[in-house]
Amino acid sequence: DTGVSQDPRHKITKRGQNVTFRCDPISEHNRLYWYRQTLGQGPEFLTYFQNEAQLEKSRLLSNRFSAERPKGSFSTLEIQRTEQGDSAMYLCASSLATAYSGANVLTFGAGSRLTVL
Amino acid sequence: GQQVMQIPQYQHVQEGEDFTTYCNSSTTLSNIQWYKQRPGGHPVFLIQLVKSGEVKKQKRLTFQFGEAKKNSSLHITATQTTDVGTYFCAGNKNTGFQKLVFGTGTRLLVSP
Repeated sequence: DTGVSQDPRHKITKRGQNVTFRCDPISEHNRLYWYRQTLGQGPEFLTYFQNEAQLEKSRLLSNRFSAERPKGSFSTLEIQRTEQGDSAMYLCASSLATAYSGANVLTFGAGSRLTVL
Repeated sequence: GQQVMQIPQYQHVQEGEDFTTYCNSSTTLSNIQWYKQRPGGHPVFLIQLVKSGEVKKQKRLTFQFGEAKKNSSLHITATQTTDVGTYFCAGNKNTGFQKLVFGTGTRLLVSP
C-alpha cells in the first residue's frame, strides 16, 4: 500500500466548469476526510465518511460541492459551476477508527490543487 | 464554532536557536494532535496528546497539553534546517466526534 492517493494533482479550469477529484485511501482505513487548504492557512474541514456513510458536512460545503464514497473505498469530490474562490488545495486524508480509539490519526494525500481562471 | 489559533504566525530563527509555537482553542479539547507541513507538501502527523498536563518528547521536540485542555505548545530545541515548515495543531472537541479542527499554523524558517 502506497498511502493516500489523489488524482489529479493539478487541475486548471475555467469559471463555471465542473471538476471532480478522486481519493484512494489506505486500504485498511475506514474513515475518509476531505479538507480544503488555501495559501497560508490551515486545512479547513469539509466532510468525512465512515465506510460509505457521510457523517459530517461543513457549512463551507455549499450546494455546489458534493462528495461520495459509494463502496466505502475510494471517494470523489465534485465541484459544480466552479468559482474563482474555489481555487485551493483539496486534501484527502484517511484514518483507522475503532471502538476503542478516542481519536484517530490522519494520513494525508499529496492533495489536488485547483486553479479556477 | 470551535476555533484554534496559533502564535506566532511566522518565525525566522538561526540554526541552533530554540523555537516555540503556541496553540489555543476556544473550547475544551478531548485531545490534540500536531502535524508538520513542509513547503509544497502535505500535513504529516507528529504526535497526539490526550491527558491534561501531558508532556511528550520526540528527540529535540517537546509537546505539552495544558491543564485545562484548551492549549498546547510545541518547543524545538536547537533548530536545524530540516525543521523548516509549518506546524499545525489540530483538536478534537469530543471523544468519538472525529471532526479534527486545524489551527492557523506557525511557519518556521531556519537560516543556516
